[in-house]
Amino acid sequence: KNEVEQSPQNLTAQEGEFITINCSYSVGISALHWLQQHPGGGIVSLFMLSSGKKKHGRLIATINIQEKHSSLHITASHPRDSAVYICAVRGADGLTFGKGTHLIIQP
Amino acid sequence: KAGVTQTPRYLIKTRGQQVTLSCSPISGHRSVSWYQQTPGQGLQFLFEYFSETQRNKGNFPGRFSGRQFSNSRSEMNVSTLELGDSALYLCASSIGQGETFFGQGTRLTVV
Repeated sequence: KNEVEQSPQNLTAQEGEFITINCSYSVGISALHWLQQHPGGGIVSLFMLSSGKKKHGRLIATINIQEKHSSLHITASHPRDSAVYICAVRGADGLTFGKGTHLIIQP
Repeated sequence: KAGVTQTPRYLIKTRGQQVTLSCSPISGHRSVSWYQQTPGQGLQFLFEYFSETQRNKGNFPGRFSGRQFSNSRSEMNVSTLELGDSALYLCASSIGQGETFFGQGTRLTVV
């Protein structure tokens, strides 16, 4: 069974700061997802990665398959980025999720 | 195009009852998966269906079951409800094992 560790659990930053959220997993995977969840429950898939790096607007996600590690970066953070960010890995037994990183961006 | 639709959005049931939740995937998506989210355990995988066949099942008791119909719509059922089953139940759809789209969830409260 895959173990997924996210850090930090909680992060408060000022508007404009560069944000990094990390995710490590224990067993080989076929893909890694970064998800965003706002209060109220709705989940949005931000990225799906199996190698390398992806960028979408101010968000960048990277994955290192050899080190079993992924990072999500937010550049020029904004209060609307405040949400829970969840890492999920796809293995043979479906998706396994991290506990999430609760991000607050203060104006 | 319409997103993943889950019904109902909110539900209150009594211990011992059973409940059925419904999920309509994005048109063309044949893979549907279900997840349970609680404050204590976070998000946990329940099961995954592809073309009416259960492809994977998480570590949940047999009271939790699901099925997928020929139009890719899916239902999950929980029998003999317990207080601990109170959770947000999320459904997601994808084309195969590609990008995954989540519904808004059904918030189940067991009293």
